[in-house]
Amino acid sequence: GAVVSQHPSRVICKSGTSVKIECRSLDFQATTMFWYRQFPKKSLMLMATSNEGSKATYEQGVEKDKFLINHASLTLSTLTVTSAHPEDSSFYICSAGTGPAIYNSPLHFGNGTRLTVT
Amino acid sequence: AQSVTQPDIHITVSEGASLELRCNYSYGATPYLFWYVQSPGQGLQLLLKYFSGDTLVQGIKGFEAEFKRSQSSFNLRKPSVHWSDAAEYFCAVGTYSGGGADGLTFGKGTHLIIQP
Repeated sequence: GAVVSQHPSRVICKSGTSVKIECRSLDFQATTMFWYRQFPKKSLMLMATSNEGSKATYEQGVEKDKFLINHASLTLSTLTVTSAHPEDSSFYICSAGTGPAIYNSPLHFGNGTRLTVT
Repeated sequence: AQSVTQPDIHITVSEGASLELRCNYSYGATPYLFWYVQSPGQGLQLLLKYFSGDTLVQGIKGFEAEFKRSQSSFNLRKPSVHWSDAAEYFCAVGTYSGGGADGLTFGKGTHLIIQP
């Protein structure tokens, strides 16, 4: 079964509103969570890396004030898209892993959230 | 900075035929290499990964991949494909920097079409 739960799977919101996406690790402690954005027919682009209890590290070109990431516990990280605009419409996917040697451990992905901003 | 190239955007294979999906990477050291599969509207499922040891890696669903350092490649293979293998396949590189894990760098994906 899924070890990373992402919710909601789909959300439609009006322009100017905010949307929160949750990423939960179900049976392990996720010391690190990654947030990706996937455009249609495109690859996944890393948006930010969050370590539990510390501020997220954003990739170049990603607006940290627009995409708020919180990783307050070892099982939950949230991505909030603030003041959403139609160009924010995309597929957002989180992944979670544990430990400093994170690539030596399973790196699980959520099933993604399809955000549509009207 | 690291990069991943998947030169084939689409590949069509007959059911039962063999498959090879190409992946080349660019990175100064030996990277962590991954292959993921994505069904439409879904997240990613790990097929296999390599970070050291035997350069031929076995994965789930009958897939294998071979790391070739001299060619900076990590091609995915399957001896006989099934219709259920139709999906998007992503090769990815994982690296570390001073701040810890960098997150995966993905190729643009290869769309696999299976014809009867």
